[in-house]
Amino acid sequence: RKEVEQDPGPFNVPEGATVAFNCTYSNSASQSFFWYRQDCRKEPKLLMSVYSSGNEDGRFTAQLNRASQYISLLIRDSKLSDSATYLCVVREGNDMRFGAGTRLTVKP
Amino acid sequence: ETGVTQTPRHLVMGMTNKKSLKCEQHLGHNAMYWYKQSAKKPLELMFVYNFKEQTENNSVPSRFSPECPNSSHLFLHLHTLQPEDSALYLCASSPFGTENTEAFFGQGTRLTVV
Repeated sequence: RKEVEQDPGPFNVPEGATVAFNCTYSNSASQSFFWYRQDCRKEPKLLMSVYSSGNEDGRFTAQLNRASQYISLLIRDSKLSDSATYLCVVREGNDMRFGAGTRLTVKP
Repeated sequence: ETGVTQTPRHLVMGMTNKKSLKCEQHLGHNAMYWYKQSAKKPLELMFVYNFKEQTENNSVPSRFSPECPNSSHLFLHLHTLQPEDSALYLCASSPFGTENTEAFFGQGTRLTVV
């Protein structure tokens, strides 16, 4: 079983749509959780951390469910510039594990 | 600019060559990482260094040899690579032992083995 699992997509949505990604992790001792964004042929960059109580940053909302060992990312009012691969990241100490990523394409 | 610099950005090498990838960070981080990203595959953690000590070797073949002379520099020495080693090699750094702190990535070295 993969340590961090994501639906690879692709998700193709129109501008303005709401889209949600889920990610499951296998290590219950994992301590920290993040969503990264990776544009084509670029390095991953932090989109947002995921806190136990859930957190929001503009159009982006992240949720964590420790009991079920999954995290989610919700994007509202999608923009063309949101097109990218979204990576779920799980951290235990200094060991950071990445999911395979979910590819999102937002179309006009 | 993320504060993590990798050189070279692109590298083409033959299977008998020896080359090194360099990573440098001046963010004051004590943990540094090498990741490999092959086409259409997830990021694979290769090595982790904490305070210059290697704390993880994720079953990486010996033709990849990391070196961490100090907390700001990380190298990946390459020799007798195979074509399937062609990939994007990413270096990252993070503060050591601090929860909820993310890793910062360099722009990567795109390696092609011919």
